[in-house]
Amino acid sequence: GAGVSQSPSNKVTEKGKDVELRCDPISGHTALYWYRQSLGQGLEFLIYFQGNSAPDKSGLPSDRFSAERTGGSVSTLTIQRTQQEDSAVYLCASIPISPAGGQEQYFGPGTRLTVT
Amino acid sequence: AQSVTQPDIHITVSEGASLELRCNYSYGATPYLFWYVQSPGQGLQLLLKYFSGDTLVQGIKGFEAEFKRSQSSFNLRKPSVHWSDAAEYFCAVTGGSQGNLIFGKGTKLSVKP
Repeated sequence: GAGVSQSPSNKVTEKGKDVELRCDPISGHTALYWYRQSLGQGLEFLIYFQGNSAPDKSGLPSDRFSAERTGGSVSTLTIQRTQQEDSAVYLCASIPISPAGGQEQYFGPGTRLTVT
Repeated sequence: AQSVTQPDIHITVSEGASLELRCNYSYGATPYLFWYVQSPGQGLQLLLKYFSGDTLVQGIKGFEAEFKRSQSSFNLRKPSVHWSDAAEYFCAVTGGSQGNLIFGKGTKLSVKP
């Protein structure tokens, strides 16, 4: 079946502009994660959604970052007033049920964001 | 706090040679451990995982890993490396009730003919 998809695959934006990154998880997967992969910091957790519960935003680096998940499916990560340090690959992952037990996370191909 | 250390940033091995990638973790309870591989321009693919039971776990593409609680390690091994194994490898542990992965910095593997 279809895997996790992300769009766009590449995004170049000017410093100060807002960007939206989209993630379509595997159908039926209830939990969704966003991660950021940058040269300096490696892979970092950003935010977690489980069903219709309030998201865990503990990994968001600043209040310029926000995310939503509509209808328990598609998620959008929004970065406002982008800065050059936001340049990274943003990865989305989903799992079928509750994370208790450490299920495998299925990753999308990522969105490469470049802030000029 | 939970953490994962991959001490080798870059490793080069000859095709056909054996491989061992090191991973050490810090975690307060019984960890759930993973190895992921990332080829250039690709997402992360799970190689194998350890939850409990047999400490030697087999994965895809001929990889295996051994969980050693006394050493807080989960090293990845392969007896004979193929050129297609050239990629970046990430060790990870789950942290917190939300199950997010905590990754090491990764080890880039180069394979020479």
